[in-house]
Amino acid sequence: ILNVEQSPQSLHVQEGDSTNFTCSFPSSNFYALHWYRWETAKSPEALFVMTLNGDEKKKGRISATLNTKEGYSYLYIKGSQPEDSATYLCASASVIIQGAQKLVFGQGTRLTINP
Amino acid sequence: DVKVTQSSRYLVKRTGEKVFLECVQDMDHENMFWYRQDPGLGLRLIYFSYDVKMKEKGDIPEGYSVSREKKERFSLILESASTNQTSMYLCASGRLAGALSYEQYFGPGTRLTVT
Repeated sequence: ILNVEQSPQSLHVQEGDSTNFTCSFPSSNFYALHWYRWETAKSPEALFVMTLNGDEKKKGRISATLNTKEGYSYLYIKGSQPEDSATYLCASASVIIQGAQKLVFGQGTRLTINP
Repeated sequence: DVKVTQSSRYLVKRTGEKVFLECVQDMDHENMFWYRQDPGLGLRLIYFSYDVKMKEKGDIPEGYSVSREKKERFSLILESASTNQTSMYLCASGRLAGALSYEQYFGPGTRLTVT
């Protein structure tokens, strides 16, 4: 089993501040890195799928970078809003069979935005 | 919009009962997955299915079995529920979304309590 680690485990940020957190994963045999946002009482929602070293993806105020050589990805949130409060999950993917990908998840970063 | 639905949001069962958790997806995806999520741990893969009637063990299959008789439905079975199977269970379906991209869509989860 790959070890995917996320830090910090929880984070409290003032509304309007920017923040970032880290996902680290084994760099050998890397295939893809997924980020999800999981709000309470909802389904985890896909944010990004990243595959290439140096990839940068952006969705509104949220962006992510990927370094496959050293095995880490950063997620950034600019100008945090209360609706950003959620648990952010990253997962390292490997191809298993017939194109299906197995995701190994980190334990998540729980983000709380204080108004 | 992809929809993954799970039969129950909350379930309380007694030790020794046989428990069925049902998952249905409406996007004709070949791949389906069952995960459990426990505090301080990431989502952990129990079983997956890459096609109808095909199933493979994930990282923590002990105490569980699965059934995939139709493409849209993937059932998780706890043959004899135990208290250590109290957890949040999430179902997902997945598909290739390009040469290097794979997407997984999650259901809302079933919180199972075994007493």
